[in-house]
Amino acid sequence: QMTQSPPTLSASVGDRVTITCRASQRISNWLAWYQQKPGRAPKLLIYQASILQSGVPSRFSGSGFGTEFTLTISSLQPDDFATYYCQQYNTHARVFGQGTKVEFE
Amino acid sequence: QVQLVESGGGLVKPGGSLRLSCAASQFTFKDYYMAWIRQAPGKGLEWISYITGDNTIYYADSVKGRFTVSRDNAKNSLYLQMNNLRAEDTALYYCARDSRDSGLDYWGQGTLVSVSS
Repeated sequence: QMTQSPPTLSASVGDRVTITCRASQRISNWLAWYQQKPGRAPKLLIYQASILQSGVPSRFSGSGFGTEFTLTISSLQPDDFATYYCQQYNTHARVFGQGTKVEFE
Repeated sequence: QVQLVESGGGLVKPGGSLRLSCAASQFTFKDYYMAWIRQAPGKGLEWISYITGDNTIYYADSVKGRFTVSRDNAKNSLYLQMNNLRAEDTALYYCARDSRDSGLDYWGQGTLVSVSS
């Protein structure tokens, strides 16, 4: 199981934002982060816990290993208000976290 | 540009069946794992299944025994056969390319399945 926190996060443009994802068992670095906007398909941001997908702005970063992972947005931009999901792919059951909605404060 | 296009969604009665398709283009389909993910209205993402290039398949417990995934590498297509559908299967169904070590790097736009009497 993957547990994300917080479920909702209120923030302003320019804020530093951190989202946490906790795995119920060790998953090494087999973790991805996705961004989803309303009415749109999810978009891959980060894979292997910390590798930025091509084309993703450098204000996004990921860290962690084992069971604790974080997604950080260094300076929140208007385009970043969205829902973020983590997903583990260490096991065949590639479970997603419940999501974190980043909204305007 | 990689493209994934789902089709086959619709309204079906509980207990009914539906077959979804996902047409892939602009990449070597047979070399990639492919996945199905769904999203119930207003809810989060739920991984359903993935299939390897040589047809090894894994399912979420929520659909095991009712859903069957297959692929036709000659047609660059992925399928999801859904049987004994329930109201809780109502969702937008996405197919995605599973790049194994690199996550789900391309997604389709989804096809909507509604299960209701």
